[in-house]
Amino acid sequence: QKEVEQNSGPLSVPEGAIASLNCTYSDRGSQSFFWYRQYSGKSPELIMSIYSNGDKEDGRFTAQLNKASQYVSLLIRDSQPSDSATYLCALASGRAARQLTFGSGTQLTVLP
Amino acid sequence: ETGVTQSPTHLIKTRGQQVTLRCSSQSGHNTVSWYQQALGQGPQFIFQYYREEENGRGNFPPRFSGLQFPNYSSELNVNALELDDSALYLCASRSGGAPADTQYFGPGTRLTVL
Repeated sequence: QKEVEQNSGPLSVPEGAIASLNCTYSDRGSQSFFWYRQYSGKSPELIMSIYSNGDKEDGRFTAQLNKASQYVSLLIRDSQPSDSATYLCALASGRAARQLTFGSGTQLTVLP
Repeated sequence: ETGVTQSPTHLIKTRGQQVTLRCSSQSGHNTVSWYQQALGQGPQFIFQYYREEENGRGNFPPRFSGLQFPNYSSELNVNALELDDSALYLCASRSGGAPADTQYFGPGTRLTVL
């Protein structure tokens, strides 16, 4: 079992809709979770961090964490074509939780 | 722009050759991590350097090695290249002691092994 699992997609949503991206993880001791966005040919950029159970909102993005179910999600409201990218779920791991363990990513396309 | 730079941008090598990739960390950052991202996959942690010492390593063979210099720039060396080494190699820098999400990724080096 992979440490971080994501649906690879591709996921397509119409412009203005809500995009829902999901991620599960295997290590119950994980404490810190992140969502990165990666445009084609570019490096990942951090869009959300979440550490506590519940929801965390930042603009059009909402991250949700459920440690009991080992589940993290990202909701993108009012999706825009510029949101089309691969979204990577990651958690902090290793010595002192300084390294990132990534899922394989979900490719999102927002259709105009 | 994150302030982290990598060179070269693209590189083509043949199987069995050796390659050196370079990373300049953001000003003030003394920790550099390297990741390998194969096509269609997420980045995988290779190793991390803090103040010129390796202080964390992922599941990569010894032919992947690195260095960090006094100015905190870093090199990734890969010996005896294999076809599966073809990937985007990313470096990320942060301040020592800072949490994982404060690291900034460079633009990457695309390595193709033929």
